[in-house]
Amino acid sequence: DIQMTQSPSSLSASVGDRVTITCRASHNINRRLNWFQQKSGRAPKLLIYAASSLQSGVSSRFSGSGSGTDFTLSISSLQPEDFATYYCQQSDTVPWTFGLGTKVDIK
Amino acid sequence: EVPLVESGGGLVHPGGSLRLSCAASGFTFSTAWMSWVRQAPGKGLEWVGRIKSRNDGETTDYGAPVKGRFTISRDDSKNTVYLQMSSLKSEDTALYYCNTEDLRNWGRGTLVIVSS
Repeated sequence: DIQMTQSPSSLSASVGDRVTITCRASHNINRRLNWFQQKSGRAPKLLIYAASSLQSGVSSRFSGSGSGTDFTLSISSLQPEDFATYYCQQSDTVPWTFGLGTKVDIK
Repeated sequence: EVPLVESGGGLVHPGGSLRLSCAASGFTFSTAWMSWVRQAPGKGLEWVGRIKSRNDGETTDYGAPVKGRFTISRDDSKNTVYLQMSSLKSEDTALYYCNTEDLRNWGRGTLVIVSS
C-alpha cells in the first residue's frame, strides 16, 4: 500500500497567517493527490483534487502544489472558518490511502 | 442537498454482521464507481473499498483490514450501494460514509458500534 505522511500533525496559527501543510507519498503518485477539510462533527469536504485543482465552490485562498511524491496545501490568509483538520489522500493506486491529518487550531 | 444517504448502522456484537445501505440521487448512479470510507471515533479517514459500474464489470476492491469480511454490492435499479459486513471486530467501530469514486460527495454517514 502507498503510505501518506502528513506534516505537521498539528499547528497553531492566527487569523491572517499563511499556512502550509505537506504530504509525502511512499511511491510516485504522479498528481493523483487530493486534499480534504473536516470540521468537528462534520463530513469531510473536498478542497483540492489532482494536486492543484480547486474544487468548485472552494475559496481561492486554498491552493495545492506538487507532483510525484511531495505535495503541499497552502492557505494564503487563514480565516476563522478554516480552523479544521486537513487530510491528504492518494487516488493513484488502490487501496486509496489517507494521511493521518493535520489539525489547524487558533493560536 | 446531500445526494448520498447512508443507513443501517447500529450496535452489533463482535463476530456479528450488519448491512449498510447508501441511497444516491442527483447523478447517474449506474455509471458511477462507488466507494465506502470510514472514520473511527476521534481518528482519521480510512478507505474501505469500492465497486465499479456494471459497464466496468462491477468489480470490487477492498482495504486490507476488511478484505474477506466485507462485501460491496450495488443495485442500479434502486440507485443504492451496499456494504455487507461480517465477522465484525471492535476496531470496525466507525462512522461509515459512502461516496462516489472521486470522493466529492459526502453524506452524513451511518454509525456502526461493535461491542459486547
